[in-house]
Amino acid sequence: KNQVEQSPQSLIILEGKNCTLQCNYTVSPFSNLRWYKQDTGRGPVSLTIMTFSENTKSNGRYTATLDADTKQSSLHITASQLSDSASYICVVSARGSTLGRLYFGRGTQLTVWP
Amino acid sequence: KAGVTQTPRYLIKTRGQQVTLSCSPISGHRSVSWYQQTPGQGLQFLFEYFSETQRNKGNFPGRFSGRQFSNSRSEMNVSTLELGDSALYLCASSSGQTMNTEAFFGQGTRLTVV
Repeated sequence: KNQVEQSPQSLIILEGKNCTLQCNYTVSPFSNLRWYKQDTGRGPVSLTIMTFSENTKSNGRYTATLDADTKQSSLHITASQLSDSASYICVVSARGSTLGRLYFGRGTQLTVWP
Repeated sequence: KAGVTQTPRYLIKTRGQQVTLSCSPISGHRSVSWYQQTPGQGLQFLFEYFSETQRNKGNFPGRFSGRQFSNSRSEMNVSTLELGDSALYLCASSSGQTMNTEAFFGQGTRLTVV
């Protein structure tokens, strides 16, 4: 069964600190993995998208890693800011499917305190 | 360029009524997909349209239907509303040309059924 599991479910950190969010998936055959940031009541916004051959991708203070062998990904946030408070969603697509067949994790709710 | 536009942003309906939500994709994008997001279930795929044809469908009852017009705008209809249909409904657009195509989400329509 194709699934995407994220941990932790929620996380509280102090402003300026770093944090790492985890994503494990069983989607097969794998095509790509995406990380989205979703502010409360808003639509998700793409942070990174990685294919099988990519194992690291950065977007400003966000760095995503992918280990396709162990089917794990992580999102590292450096020097957190109050505006980083949001839900971070890991999304995996299977090869051979179209955009409609995306598998979503439940998200990690990150809260950054001053 | 303009992003994905969803209307209305908020909607309150009573049980048994029907509702139509609208999604205007990014200019030039031919793929539109719809998702339901609830606190308990996270993001769940409803259906995807590409060039006016339904390309994929999720596991939702027949009360949920959609269509896409020649200008790629899409509508989603829910008939005989139930309390459990209360959710944030998101649409995403992409060019839909390759598996690694970026998906852009709208701000969503918050539907409350009372």
